[in-house]
Amino acid sequence: DVKVTQSSRYLVKRTGEKVFLECVQDMDHENMFWYRQDPGLGLRLIYFSYDVKMKEKGDIPEGYSVSREKKERFSLILESASTNQTSMYLCASSGSDRGKTEQYFGPGTRLTVT
Amino acid sequence: AQSVTQLGSHVSVSEGALVLLRCNYSSSVPPYLFWYVQYPNQGLQLLLKYTTGATLVKGINGFEAEFKKSETSFHLTKPSAHMSDAAEYFCAVSDAGNQFYFGTGTSLTVIP
Repeated sequence: DVKVTQSSRYLVKRTGEKVFLECVQDMDHENMFWYRQDPGLGLRLIYFSYDVKMKEKGDIPEGYSVSREKKERFSLILESASTNQTSMYLCASSGSDRGKTEQYFGPGTRLTVT
Repeated sequence: AQSVTQLGSHVSVSEGALVLLRCNYSSSVPPYLFWYVQYPNQGLQLLLKYTTGATLVKGINGFEAEFKKSETSFHLTKPSAHMSDAAEYFCAVSDAGNQFYFGTGTSLTVIP
């Protein structure tokens, strides 16, 4: 069975802390994505990666960075967490078939920054 | 550029009634279209997708959607709502670069 796992389901951090969110997929997918989900705004793409060590900015990259050292793992980093980064974070992965293949999602990490 | 509009952020139906969730897209190339469902505190799960071929697509849990190119629509339907269908539904369009563009979602409430 296809699986995308995220390191934490719930996370509470303080303002200014460095936060790491990790995502692992077991499908040998080339593409991996990080989204944040907020009520009324749907899913907004933060960063994506189409290969190891490659990354592309999405729609809202400010305040975030990513790392992809291994094909199966894609990490999202909040360099200095702020309260406006309180959100649900979703990781996804997909194969490389020029848009035809669906994205598979992890269960999400609900991050609260106080 | 691709974009997706979901009409109605909240939809309520009675149990057993028809479910209709609307999705219109904007795409400069032939689109690939998807519907996802999200249950509370969970990730998104694929309901169905359209890539090529038959324009009426059947998915899981009795849902189906029809791709209408002339109307740039991909509405999701189910003949008879069940209580377990209460969830958030997202329409998405993808491009050849494997990036997805999601609508803002429709929350479906099923009234007993």
